[in-house]
Amino acid sequence: EVQLVETGGGLIQPGGSLRLSCAVSGFTVSSNYMSWVRQAPGKGLEWVSVIYSGGNTYYAASVKGRFTISRDNSKNTLNLQMNSLRAEDTAVYYCARETIPAAGTVWFGPWGQGTLVTVSS
Amino acid sequence: SYELTQPPSVSVSPGQTASITCSGDKLGNKYASWYQQKPGQSPLLVIYENNKRPSGIPERFSGSNSGNTATLTISGTQAMDEADYYCQTWAGTVVFGGGTRLTVL
Repeated sequence: EVQLVETGGGLIQPGGSLRLSCAVSGFTVSSNYMSWVRQAPGKGLEWVSVIYSGGNTYYAASVKGRFTISRDNSKNTLNLQMNSLRAEDTAVYYCARETIPAAGTVWFGPWGQGTLVTVSS
Repeated sequence: SYELTQPPSVSVSPGQTASITCSGDKLGNKYASWYQQKPGQSPLLVIYENNKRPSGIPERFSGSNSGNTATLTISGTQAMDEADYYCQTWAGTVVFGGGTRLTVL
């Protein structure tokens, strides 16, 4: 059975750091494109970052330079290191498998249940 | 930057057909995907590459994409289909629409 379980969310002060993890079962993280997508309270979905199977990483402009995506192949886990956190980073963070079968087409699934990050003093 | 526009809300009576639109510049030249999100749950892919259904998604869900508009159509809408729906495409980066709340009443 395919399952993605995010952990690491919580309350953090502005300027602080937090590390999210996504434990995956049912498929191999390193053989897939894996992404983080966030959703601010009551708002829509926002793509955050992706790591390709080859190791290339990409970020949304809003988090570039502050967030780092990585994976732990031995644990089949996806990670997101978040530094210099801001109030506007407050959101539920989902990990998801990203499928890119050809240039110009991409979709997400399955998704984890999400972990809430609250940035507030 | 590229934007996708969805109506904030759509209402439909049970058993009727619901249509949710997603507009973007020359969107018909791109691929669109659709996600369903019920309260307190994570998103679920219901349509990819404009009109393909993942395994397990009921046949009443269908999609189309032409011109500047992609459309998610739910035929014979059921109460269980009440949810937020998001469109998504690729425009040099991943872009999501703002979401549409479907109410079945």
